[in-house]
Formats: sequence, structure tokens, C-alpha cells
Amino acid sequence: NAGVTQTPKFQVLKTGQSMTLQCAQDMNHEYMSWYRQDPGMGLRLIHYSVGAGITDQGEVPNGYNVSRSTTEDFPLRLLSAAPSQTSVYFCASRAPGERGRTGELFFGEGSRLTVL
Amino acid sequence: KNQVEQSPQSLIILEGKNCTLQCNYTVSPFSNLRWYKQDTGRGPVSLTIMTFSENTKSNGRYTATLDADTKQSSLHITASQLSDSASYICVVSAGYQKVTFGTGTKLQVIP
Repeated sequence: NAGVTQTPKFQVLKTGQSMTLQCAQDMNHEYMSWYRQDPGMGLRLIHYSVGAGITDQGEVPNGYNVSRSTTEDFPLRLLSAAPSQTSVYFCASRAPGERGRTGELFFGEGSRLTVL
Repeated sequence: KNQVEQSPQSLIILEGKNCTLQCNYTVSPFSNLRWYKQDTGRGPVSLTIMTFSENTKSNGRYTATLDADTKQSSLHITASQLSDSASYICVVSAGYQKVTFGTGTKLQVIP
């Protein structure tokens, strides 16, 4: 099983450019999410999806768009990159919870983005 | 506001020694608490899950404890190995959907 696959691993953008971070999972998880990880801060939720066709905003959604056309794929789009979006981005899918527990998150390897 | 605080921020220990990482949380309603290990340049991986009724749970050399009354959890690593060098993140779930991440403890194990 590949689990959660993110591409690209590294990307350098100029201010104002747009790009898409790809995320795919092969575990048939309904829940998928995007986080950014910055030094000294915990992972922060950008957007999430509870199933195909359903997306919602997380804690820090500004400047990002998502869509969920299939269960497997959950791309993150940066509309007009800004230096403040320099970060490491993680995609995750979540297993169904059991007996009221929140399921385990499975993370991709991360995408390191630098905006100049 | 739900918060998860971890201490220490960083820790250096000698190979073979034990260490304990702390997690204090103010999350309501509490559902469960997980410890994740994040190797440098990799995504976090779950080590263990603690629910309200569980006080202690072991996963090899890792032992997690939970005190739901004081809202504290600890992760104890026994006989540390170089491969234990990583960041350890405490993640607390409120209800079914919302999770709050701690900022992590960066552990370095040196020979």
C-alpha cells in the first residue's frame, strides 16, 4: 500500500505565481485534510473534506482552494503565492473511528514550498 | 479555545537512557489523545492512542500515560536508540472531528 502520496516534494515559486499540490490516498478514507507546518507552531488545518464533493475551511484557509472530485484525490491550490505561504505542507487521510474514537491520521511525506 | 502544550520543546539524551515527554491539554469535550512520531523530513506517524478510560498503554519501548482529571499525558521512552531521534507530537481530539496539535518535542539521541 502506498498510503498517502504527495507531489511535489519541493517547489520554489515567485510571488504571485499559482500552483497545485497533489495528494492521493489508496486507503478509501472518506476524510482528507491539508495542513501547514511552520517552525515553533503545531500543524494547522487549511482545508478538509469528509467525502467526494464536500469540502470545508479549516483554521487558515485564506489563499488556498481545494476540491474533491474523487475519494482518492484532494489537491490544494495556491491562487497567488505570497512569501507568508512558505511552509511545509502535509496532506492526511483519516481512518474511520471506532467506538467513538477519532480515527488515526495517515500523513503524506510533505511538500516543502518556498515563495520568493 | 482548545490548546495542547508540550514540554520540553527540545531534549538531548544519551543513547540507552530513558526520557519522558509531557503534554498538557485544555480540550473539550475530550475524545482521545494520540502521540505521533515525526522523523526529520517525513510525515507524522501514530505511536499510540489513549481514550478517557485508559491510564497506560505501551508500544514496544514507548509507554503513554493519561490522567484525564489533570488533563495531562506523558510519553516515556525506555532505553533510547538513535532511531528515536525525532519530533513527538501530542494530538488531542475533541468530539469526533476536531483535532488540536501540540507544537511537539524535538528529541535528539546522541551516541
